Amino acid sequence: GAVVSQHPSWVICKSGTSVKIECRSLDFQATTMFWYRQFPKQSLMLMATSNEGSKATYEQGVEKDKFLINHASLTLSTLTVTSAHPEDSSFYICSARVRVGLAGGDTQYFGPGTRLTVL
Amino acid sequence: AQSVTQLDSQVPVFEEAPVELRCNYSSSVSVYLFWYVQYPNQGLQLLLKYLSGSTLVKGINGFEAEFNKSQTSFHLRKPSVHISDTAEYFCAVSDRGGGAQKLVFGQGTRLTINP
Repeated sequence: GAVVSQHPSWVICKSGTSVKIECRSLDFQATTMFWYRQFPKQSLMLMATSNEGSKATYEQGVEKDKFLINHASLTLSTLTVTSAHPEDSSFYICSARVRVGLAGGDTQYFGPGTRLTVL
Repeated sequence: AQSVTQLDSQVPVFEEAPVELRCNYSSSVSVYLFWYVQYPNQGLQLLLKYLSGSTLVKGINGFEAEFNKSQTSFHLRKPSVHISDTAEYFCAVSDRGGGAQKLVFGQGTRLTINP
C-alpha cells in the first residue's frame, strides 16, 4: 500500500518552454501533497505544500508564478515549471499523505522522482 | 522550528559488518522521527518511523533505530549489512501538531558497502 507515482520519470526540454509533472497516489486519498527539489548529492528542499481544493503554500524563496501547483483531486497533484531555464534542471520529487488524524496521517510517501533537464 | 544533523556525510563499511548512521535533531516541540532510504535516481522509501511508545523501532531490511529524548538522537543501526544496502539515507523530523507537519530533512549519509 501507499504507492505514489510520478510522470514522467525524466524529461528534457528547451529553454523557455513549460513542463508539467504529475504526482498520483495510487491506493489512497492524499489530502496533502508536497513538492521537493533535490540537487545532486544534496538533501531534499521543500518547495510547496498543496492541499486538495485549495491554493498551494510555497516556501520562502520559491517563485509561485514559476512553479505552478494544482491539486485538483485527492489522488492527483501537478507541478508545472513555466518558462524553464537551465538553472531549473533538477530532480523533482513529490510526496503524499492522508489527512492528519487518520491512520497513517503522520507519514509522507514519496514518488520515484522526475529528472528535468533544460537545454 | 526543527533542524536535523546527520553527523556523517559518508560511511564506508565492509559487507556483513555492523553499521550505525547518526542523527541528531533540534526542536522546541514534540516530534515524529523518520528514516528514509534513497537508491540512485529514485525517490525516498520509508525505512522506519518513531511516533510514540517503545523507543526502539524496527523497520524494513533489518534496520532499527533508537529514539533517545535526552540526547535528542535517532541513530539508525543494522547488525550486518549487505551490498544492496548501498544508498543514501536521510533522517527527518516533523512536528506533532495539527498543521502541515512538514518534514525537515538532514543532509543525508551515503552508505557504501564494500565487498
